Amino acid sequence: EAGVAQSPRYKIIEKRQSVAFWCNPISGHATLYWYQQILGQGPKLLIQFQNNGVVDDSQLPKDRFSAERLKGVDSTLKIQPAKLEDSAVYLCASSPRWGGPIETQYFGPGTRLLVL
Amino acid sequence: DAKTTQPNSMESNEEEPVHLPCNHSTISGTDYIHWYRQLPSQGPEYVIHGLTSNVNNRMASLAIAEDRKSSTLILHRATLRDAAVYYCILRLPQGGSEKLVFGKGTKLTVNP
Repeated sequence: EAGVAQSPRYKIIEKRQSVAFWCNPISGHATLYWYQQILGQGPKLLIQFQNNGVVDDSQLPKDRFSAERLKGVDSTLKIQPAKLEDSAVYLCASSPRWGGPIETQYFGPGTRLLVL
Repeated sequence: DAKTTQPNSMESNEEEPVHLPCNHSTISGTDYIHWYRQLPSQGPEYVIHGLTSNVNNRMASLAIAEDRKSSTLILHRATLRDAAVYYCILRLPQGGSEKLVFGKGTKLTVNP
């Protein structure tokens, strides 16, 4: 079974530029998550989709971050414009059903973003 | 979200058992205890979870205190590949948004 795919793996941009990350979850997984992991910290949830609807985006900085999940499969996360503090690893995860309390989340390798 | 407390770091020798502690004194009766680990330059991966009883799987064992205020992840024979950050996480059924709330975890170093 193929895992969660993310691209690009690395990205370097100047502040105030835009950037987009792509995620392809495990086939058939209904729930998709985007996390931000700043160096030395644990991942923090930015947004959770169930199929193509948003379940939780309470920690997404909506003035600059946006995400979509078209047709309930692939997802993109965009930052526009980027700030220095956005430098982090962006992780995508998926789970089979509705993201319940015993459901395993499967993580991709992440995209490492450096904002200069 | 209920809080967990873990040591910042631990060290072990290869092929020896490792006991990774986690305190969760404010745990509620319906919180599940999950452990994930993150190998260097990779995304987190699921290790094990439990509610009240001790649990075993091919990766590890989870020992849960009788009052559920603490738990211990047990790696029976550490290998170099087990060097990672281990996260203890509580998950409460919340009707659709049972997100993982990660702390800083315990960085495990395994010496050859």
